[in-house]
Amino acid sequence: GQQLNQSPQSMFIQEGEDVSMNCTSSSIFNTWLWYKQEPGEGPVLLIALYKAGELTSNGRLTAQFGITRKDSFLNISASIPSDVGIYFCAGNNAGGTSYGKLTFGQGTILTVHP
Amino acid sequence: KAGVTQTPRYLIKTRGQQVTLSCSPISGHRSVSWYQQTPGQGLQFLFEYFSETQRNKGNFPGRFSGRQFSNSRSEMNVSTLELGDSALYLCASSFSDEQYFGPGTRLTVT
Repeated sequence: GQQLNQSPQSMFIQEGEDVSMNCTSSSIFNTWLWYKQEPGEGPVLLIALYKAGELTSNGRLTAQFGITRKDSFLNISASIPSDVGIYFCAGNNAGGTSYGKLTFGQGTILTVHP
Repeated sequence: KAGVTQTPRYLIKTRGQQVTLSCSPISGHRSVSWYQQTPGQGLQFLFEYFSETQRNKGNFPGRFSGRQFSNSRSEMNVSTLELGDSALYLCASSFSDEQYFGPGTRLTVT
């Protein structure tokens, strides 16, 4: 089935450093979403991207929708300990055979050392 | 607005039993999607319901089923449980392309 390749799989960084992670797909998506999941909880939506080339920020988070519609990246600036968690990208092609279906990347595990 | 709620949060069942999980979406959201999350397979789409109709289904066996009620609340059922069904089951509600997840139900099959 459709796969999203997310990298890196894990990151160990010092507090204050910037973080970058990305997702690539073999097929296009109409929407890219980025989520964060903490232990014992469901994923929380961080940023939604709707247009190719779109660059969107949410506080210290910035994400971009690739112009080919097959990739997206997420940057976190000046990381803090509470940024720890698993970050997932997800692609959505709402409608038709894709109703309600998000395709997820494998996740990036982020560890921040104080 | 209240978020997506799921009950129960934790469940332990024995092989061969069946289980029903419940999801209440955000008020005004008519679409509910279900996902299975495991360490090996990640987040996998189970099915989606909109206005009491299943519009989409993932690649899971027929033991996995669901339904949606007129108030948009949804349930999923797994019959004849197998050890491999142990997972975190997540539901998500949406009004548009953005999906909002509940905390999940942790199912352990022994």
